[in-house]
Amino acid sequence: RKEVEQDPGPFNVPEGATVAFNCTYSNSASQSFFWYRQDCRKEPKLLMSVYSSGNEDGRFTAQLNRASQYISLLIRDSKLSDSATYLCVAGMDSSYKLIFGSGTRLLVRP
Amino acid sequence: EAGVTQSPTHLIKTRGQQATLRCSPISGHTSVYWYQQALGLGLQFLLWYDEGEERNRGNFPPRFSGRQFPNYSSELNVNALELEDSALYLCASSPPGSPIGPQHFGDGTRLSIL
Repeated sequence: RKEVEQDPGPFNVPEGATVAFNCTYSNSASQSFFWYRQDCRKEPKLLMSVYSSGNEDGRFTAQLNRASQYISLLIRDSKLSDSATYLCVAGMDSSYKLIFGSGTRLLVRP
Repeated sequence: EAGVTQSPTHLIKTRGQQATLRCSPISGHTSVYWYQQALGLGLQFLLWYDEGEERNRGNFPPRFSGRQFPNYSSELNVNALELEDSALYLCASSPPGSPIGPQHFGDGTRLSIL
């Protein structure tokens, strides 16, 4: 079983749609969580950190459910420029490394 | 502020050769991480260097090695190259005191083995 699992997609949605991505992590000791965005053949870029209380940044909302070991990312009012692969990431103090999911691909169509 | 810089952008080698990839972290960052991203696959953690020492490594054979210099820049060396080593190699850095904080990535080095 992968340490961080994501639905690979692709999610194909029209502009203006709301789309949600889910991610599960297997190690309950994970302490830090992030969403990164990666465009084709480019480096990953930090989108947002994820906190237990949930956090919002403009059209993006991230949620963490520690009991279910589940992270989500909600994108409202999708733009064409949101088309990318979204990587879910978990980090653990014990191993001092970040574990990346394989990513969920989003395609926003006109 | 300059971001993480990696060189070269592209590297073409043949089987059995050795490759050296370089990374300069963001100014003030002391930790450097190396990842391998093969085509269509996720990021696989390779190595973590902090304050000049190797702190952790992923499930890669010993022919993947590296070092961190006093100025916190880093090298990744891959010996006895194999076809499956063809991938995008990404370097990331983070500031002191945040080993599992957000990491900032360079553009990567695309290594192709012929």
